[in-house]
Amino acid sequence: KAGVTQTPRYLIKTRGQQVTLSCSPISGHRSVSWYQQTPGQGLQFLFEYFSETQRNKGNFPGRFSGRQFSNSRSEMNVSTLELGDSALYLCASIDPTSGSPPVFGPGTRLTVL
Amino acid sequence: AQSVSQHNHHVILSEAASLELGCNYSYGGTVNLFWYVQYPGQHLQLLLKYFSGDPLVKGIKGFEAEFIKSKFSFNLRKPSVQWSDTAEYFCAVIPNRDDKIIFGKGTRLHILP
Repeated sequence: KAGVTQTPRYLIKTRGQQVTLSCSPISGHRSVSWYQQTPGQGLQFLFEYFSETQRNKGNFPGRFSGRQFSNSRSEMNVSTLELGDSALYLCASIDPTSGSPPVFGPGTRLTVL
Repeated sequence: AQSVSQHNHHVILSEAASLELGCNYSYGGTVNLFWYVQYPGQHLQLLLKYFSGDPLVKGIKGFEAEFIKSKFSFNLRKPSVQWSDTAEYFCAVIPNRDDKIIFGKGTRLHILP
């Protein structure tokens, strides 16, 4: 099976702009979770989608949003970017029925100037 | 709130030294436990997992972890580290099978050649 794909791999934006990141999970996996990774804070949970429905949400402001499509691909959007949003955004592909551990994509490195 | 604590943020060892990284979680029910590793510039990869059964689990590259339910701990061990083990290590918990995965803040391990 192909792995988890995240696009783009790198992004540079300026404050106030918005950004959309994409994640294609492993074929057959219907759950996608998003994490923000920053030095010192580790991985912080953003949200989880299963079958196009948001199932869990982390403690992030409303500027962070996401969605999942019928083919399980997921997007996350960050509006009105702030310098502190600079991070590695990771997507995890999960098959809840199998009990297998989440498989992570390579991440999107977002830099906000 | 559910949380995962990793005791050491930064560990420096010489090659051939023994390693133990601490991990404690705060959830009283059934949990699935994981250690992930992130080598410099690479994806998060699964090192080992515990779902049930023998509390001593073996992972890749000579790593093992012991689940001690009474102590809510899942410490990672390796008897003799190598320079190539330099990486960041994350302990993670899924409190319920269909719940989100919660990560510790990570331990950055640096092995001196």
